[in-house]
Amino acid sequence: EIVLTQSPGTLSLSPGERATLSCRASQSVSGTYLAWYQQKPGQAPSLLIYGASSRATGIPDRFSGSGSGTDFTLTISRLEPEDFAVYYCQQYGSSPSYTFGQGTKLEIK
Amino acid sequence: QVQLVQSGAEVKKPGASVKVSCKASGYTFTGDYIHWVRQAPGQGLEWMGWINPSSGGTNYAQKFQGWVTMTRDTSISTAYMELSRLRSDDTAVYYCARERLMVVTANGDYYGMDVWGQGTMVTVSS
Repeated sequence: EIVLTQSPGTLSLSPGERATLSCRASQSVSGTYLAWYQQKPGQAPSLLIYGASSRATGIPDRFSGSGSGTDFTLTISRLEPEDFAVYYCQQYGSSPSYTFGQGTKLEIK
Repeated sequence: QVQLVQSGAEVKKPGASVKVSCKASGYTFTGDYIHWVRQAPGQGLEWMGWINPSSGGTNYAQKFQGWVTMTRDTSISTAYMELSRLRSDDTAVYYCARERLMVVTANGDYYGMDVWGQGTMVTVSS
């Protein structure tokens, strides 16, 4: 099973700053199935990025995804107050199995 | 609009079973897989498995094989997740989510879980 490790666990930043979140896989992941989700308190997760770098419908262009192989990154160019949440990466493995990273909490500094 | 609406909160005793429903609307239910994901209090997301509503075929995470059953009723566009032999550490919010083919490219097919249910809190306590 592919293990996804996200870092940092918690990221403290101010609105307007740039956020860089990392997701590292224990073995190579096809970029076609690496996704990022945002979860706000008390809400279900929502899809941000699919295919490592494609924004889901309605997602602002301040969100961008990149990476390949074992290293993937979610970047938020200028943080808005509504961006403070928990972010998860997710992969679909070579066997039909899905795993999530443990999450990065983005909090207001 | 496209939505998944789940059944209400449940309180169960250890050793019991729970069955959570997920009713789809606004799209063709048999066109996309339904996944189940759970989240223990204060913890991250844990994938449990998927069901193909068209065929009824399933794939379960290894951890849940033998004690989770996913089914569907296409006549009412509803998927179900039943977890048996409940323990206290099964206390969690259980989500269903639709997996959609987002785009087909020369590099492959890109998927994402683009619609989620509101979650069902299952509490296991004696």
